[in-house]
Amino acid sequence: GENVEQHPSTLSVQEGDSAVIKCTYSDSASNYFPWYKQELGKGPQLIIDIRSNVGEKKDQRIAVTLNKTAKHFSLHITETQPEDSAVYFCAVIYNAGNMLTFGGGTRLMVKP
Amino acid sequence: KAGVTQTPRYLIKTRGQQVTLSCSPISGHRSVSWYQQTPGQGLQFLFEYFSETQRNKGNFPGRFSGRQFSNSRSEMNVSTLELGDSALYLCASSPRTGREVEQFFGPGTRLTVL
Repeated sequence: GENVEQHPSTLSVQEGDSAVIKCTYSDSASNYFPWYKQELGKGPQLIIDIRSNVGEKKDQRIAVTLNKTAKHFSLHITETQPEDSAVYFCAVIYNAGNMLTFGGGTRLMVKP
Repeated sequence: KAGVTQTPRYLIKTRGQQVTLSCSPISGHRSVSWYQQTPGQGLQFLFEYFSETQRNKGNFPGRFSGRQFSNSRSEMNVSTLELGDSALYLCASSPRTGREVEQFFGPGTRLTVL
């Protein structure tokens, strides 16, 4: 089955700095790569996603880049704010259905 | 549009009991998937339902089952509960099934097995 590795597991940055989280996957046929943010006591929230026909996608302070050849994709958060503190998960859809395979998560802490 | 709703939000059961969790997807969404989240194993796929049919199943024992109704609402059932079943159970809703479709999660049901 699909395997998704996510790094780092924890990340501490100063407010205003950038944060980068990286994921690698094993199934070269994967075509959809979402990122989720999970705050304490809540379910994961879809924040951005990318499909294999593009290499980069941006939404305000958040961007995702995809390198299909190397089988890795990254989340970039610029000008971090305390409210960005949360656990972030990358995911890949594997096989014909909707089954998401998740990375292990990154706990991001933004210090004011 | 209202988001995904899950009931109950919290549940405490004892070993050997069974439990039923409910999920109402976003209006118009026809696919519902279930995930289990634990500190040790992370987020793991349980199963997906689309048009009342199970489309995919994860690597979980047969004690875990589910179903979907004609209005797209879904339930999952865990029988003969074990301590290791303590977890956050998440439901995700999609407008359709397929490999490039967004999934939107509910707040989850926190199950504690004593």
